Amino acid sequence: AQSVAQPEDQVNVAEGNPLTVKCTYSVSGNPYLFWYVQYPNRGLQFLLKYITGDNLVKGSYGFEAEFNKSQTSFHLKKPSALVSDSALYFCAVRDNVPGRRALTFGSGTRLQVQP
Amino acid sequence: EAQVTQNPRYLITVTGKKLTVTCSQNMNHEYMSWYRQDPGLGLRQIYYSMNVEVTDKGDVPEGYKVSRKEKRNFPLILESPSPNQTSLYFCASSSRDLNEQFFGPGTRLTVL
Repeated sequence: AQSVAQPEDQVNVAEGNPLTVKCTYSVSGNPYLFWYVQYPNRGLQFLLKYITGDNLVKGSYGFEAEFNKSQTSFHLKKPSALVSDSALYFCAVRDNVPGRRALTFGSGTRLQVQP
Repeated sequence: EAQVTQNPRYLITVTGKKLTVTCSQNMNHEYMSWYRQDPGLGLRQIYYSMNVEVTDKGDVPEGYKVSRKEKRNFPLILESPSPNQTSLYFCASSSRDLNEQFFGPGTRLTVL
């Protein structure tokens, strides 16, 4: 079975400071990893993905994530946080086993950026 | 504009009264899925469909039905809703490679 853990319910950071939102995963086979963001009263929006290749993946709105196979982690990062980054962030994973199609989401981390 | 639409956006109903939440996408996507979002639990997959007439259970299918008669539509049916199905529901679609899912705006359902 595949699973995702987001160990922090909430992350608080001051505007202009770097931010990290943590994610660890468990899958059989090679992982496909994703980050999504949810703004209030909206659906989820895709931020970035790791399929293969470089461990550092760049995505929308200046976000990036680092894939670490040995630590089974895929932390989301941004060098300088904005107040407008405040939202709910979800990490998701699926494996590459042929025929398997389900995507598993973490429980979400609320990011609060203070001005 | 590429989008996933859901209707209704808000629904309050009573226990046992059958309801359908519609989902439609205009991107010609093969894959469609339904999720429910509950506080502290993230998104949990209810059902998904890889193509027309092909559906499969996700993690929490009990109490729900789906159909995929047309590629663009994937309705979620609650034959006899119960209060534990009060939740925020999202429909999503993606192309065959599943590398990015597009989400609808959500349907907030309350079952009294």
